[in-house]
Amino acid sequence: KAGVTQTPRYLIKTRGQQVTLSCSPISGHRSVSWYQQTPGQGLQFLFEYFSETQRNKGNFPGRFSGRQFSNSRSEMNVSTLELGDSALYLCASSLNPSGREETQYFGPGTRLLVL
Amino acid sequence: AQSVTQLGSHVSVSEGALVLLRCNYSSSVPPYLFWYVQYPNQGLQLLLKYTSAATLVKGINGFEAEFKKSETSFHLTKPSAHMSDAAEYFCAVSFSGGYQKVTFGTGTKLQVIP
Repeated sequence: KAGVTQTPRYLIKTRGQQVTLSCSPISGHRSVSWYQQTPGQGLQFLFEYFSETQRNKGNFPGRFSGRQFSNSRSEMNVSTLELGDSALYLCASSLNPSGREETQYFGPGTRLLVL
Repeated sequence: AQSVTQLGSHVSVSEGALVLLRCNYSSSVPPYLFWYVQYPNQGLQLLLKYTSAATLVKGINGFEAEFKKSETSFHLTKPSAHMSDAAEYFCAVSFSGGYQKVTFGTGTKLQVIP
C-alpha cells in the first residue's frame, strides 16, 4: 500500500505570494492532519480534516487554510506569505478519526522557503 | 491541558551504548503516548505507542518504552546504539475530544559516535 504523498517536495516563494500544498493520504484513510515544523517552534498542529470537514484547528492565523476532497486528498493554502512561514509542512493520515490510540502516518513533507 | 516535555534537545551516545531518551507527560485523562523518529529530510515514522494494554511497549528497530504513571514518564530506550539510530526523536501525547488531537514534544536529536 502506498504511503502518504506530498507535493511538491520543495518550494521557493517570495513574501506576499500564496502557496498551495497537496497531500494524498494512504488509501482508505479518511483523516488528514497538517503540521508545521520549524527549528524554533518544533511541530505545531495546523488543522485536521475528516470527510471534507475541518474538525480541529491549531493556533494559526487565517492566512492558513485547507480543504479536503471527496477522495480524502487534502490541500493547504497559505496566503500573503511571510518570512516566518518558511518551514517543513507535514501531512499525516489516519484510519480511525475518533481513536485516540490511532497511529498517524506521515508524508515526507513539503519544504517551503519564503524569500 | 495535555503536554509532553522531552529533556535534552541533543543526546550523544557511543555506538553500542545504551540509548535513553526522556519524555514526561501531563494529562488529565489516561494518556495515549507515542514515540516517532524523523530522519533527515523525511517525515515522521512511528516507533511505538502506549495504549494502556501493557506498560512496557516494544517497538521497531529494537526500541522500547515503559509507561510509569507514578512518574508521568514514557522514556525511550535501546540497549545498544547503532549508527543508523542517529535521528531526531519525538514524544507525543494524544488526548480526547471526539477526534484525534496530538501534541508533540520539542524533539531530541540523537548523535551516535563511532
